[in-house]
Amino acid sequence: DGGITQSPKYLFRKEGQNVTLSCEQNLNHDAMYWYRQDPGQGLRLIYYSQIVNDFQKGDIAEGYSVSREKKESFPLTVTSAQKNPTAFYLCASSIASGLYSNQPQHFGDGTRLSIL
Amino acid sequence: DAKTTQPTSMDCAEGRAANLPCNHSTISGNEYVYWYRQIHSQGPQYIIHGLKNNETNEMASLIITEDRKSSTLILPHATLRDTAVYYCIVRVGSPKLVFGKGTKLTVNP
Repeated sequence: DGGITQSPKYLFRKEGQNVTLSCEQNLNHDAMYWYRQDPGQGLRLIYYSQIVNDFQKGDIAEGYSVSREKKESFPLTVTSAQKNPTAFYLCASSIASGLYSNQPQHFGDGTRLSIL
Repeated sequence: DAKTTQPTSMDCAEGRAANLPCNHSTISGNEYVYWYRQIHSQGPQYIIHGLKNNETNEMASLIITEDRKSSTLILPHATLRDTAVYYCIVRVGSPKLVFGKGTKLTVNP
């Protein structure tokens, strides 16, 4: 079945440690996104990528980094510079992300990151 | 992106139709209406979207008023698994999805 796979489902980070969250899609989508969701809050966009080898910062990119070396993969690294990383991280993808695109985003099941 | 207003919560009996309203009175001419739902501890699930015509898929129907200032998501035969928070979003082109508070739908046996 086509879909978006996020791993791991749960992740624990020690102080000062970088961790990488995986996101893989087999939907042949061009655009991919990373969001953060805090308890009782809406989604906040961290980074997005419209095409391989290109990505843009979202609203809360500080303390995070991404890469897009392959169309199907968009890993997110939570660096030690992110002082409040505990959250639910969601990866999404869509067919396109142009200025007038109406294509919906489809989400994975998320990774829950906690600090030890 | 235009702001949306949804009721905080709704209840529905299992097997009955669930009609979830959304007000988007400031929607612009090229903005689409999207519906997503989120079950606790899972990622949001895309349900349906439309511009001005009514839309139907295997999950639901979307009814948009002629002036496009409001819409209704219809789940024709609600099941217990449809219990979730439902989000109505209006946007065009932006990479960012802005989720409001949504409507918590509880389907009762």
